[in-house]
Amino acid sequence: IAGITQAPTSQILAAGRRMTLRCTQDMRHNAMYWYRQDLGLGLRLIHYSNTAGTTGKGEVPDGYSVSRANTDDFPLTLASAVPSQTSVYFCASSASGLAGAGELFFGEGSRLTVL
Amino acid sequence: GQNIDQPTEMTATEGAIVQINCTYQTSGFNGLFWYQQHAGEAPTFLSYNVLDGLEEKGRFSSFLSRSKGYSYLLLKELQMKDSASYLCAVGDSNYQLIWGAGTKLIIKP
Repeated sequence: IAGITQAPTSQILAAGRRMTLRCTQDMRHNAMYWYRQDLGLGLRLIHYSNTAGTTGKGEVPDGYSVSRANTDDFPLTLASAVPSQTSVYFCASSASGLAGAGELFFGEGSRLTVL
Repeated sequence: GQNIDQPTEMTATEGAIVQINCTYQTSGFNGLFWYQQHAGEAPTFLSYNVLDGLEEKGRFSSFLSRSKGYSYLLLKELQMKDSASYLCAVGDSNYQLIWGAGTKLIIKP
């Protein structure tokens, strides 16, 4: 069982370029999330989706967009990357549609560097 | 504002016991989570407390006091593989998770 798969694992990107981080889960979880993790800070929620077809903004949504066309996939797009978006990005899922109501399962992360 | 506080770093000796504290101030409370994150890896779930008291799971225990806005994670019989960051997270009134910055635990032989 793969759980959650993220791609790419690591990427160096020029500022101004468009980038999509992919996330796929095979657990049939309703909810999916994108977090960024920066040194000295807690995980910060970028966007979330409680069920296929719906998305919502998290704590730091600016510069990012998501879509949830089906249960399994939840891609995160940076329309025009900026250096402040250099971070480690984690995709996560939960069976419940409420992140604070149950265990989160995380992908292995995507390390993005914007130059 | 909402805030989760935990120590940045702790050091302990193999075979010993360590307690990692977490204090929180959130708008509402819907449970407190502890996650373990090894360097370069994804966080993995350790424990969940929604009622006051101690939850024991093998070598790991987690305690919650809602009136004090306080939790701790207790690790017994420390092993080298326990070297990791430990993340405290609280579900607020909207069931959104508020995360602490994590405590890096260093285990020495």
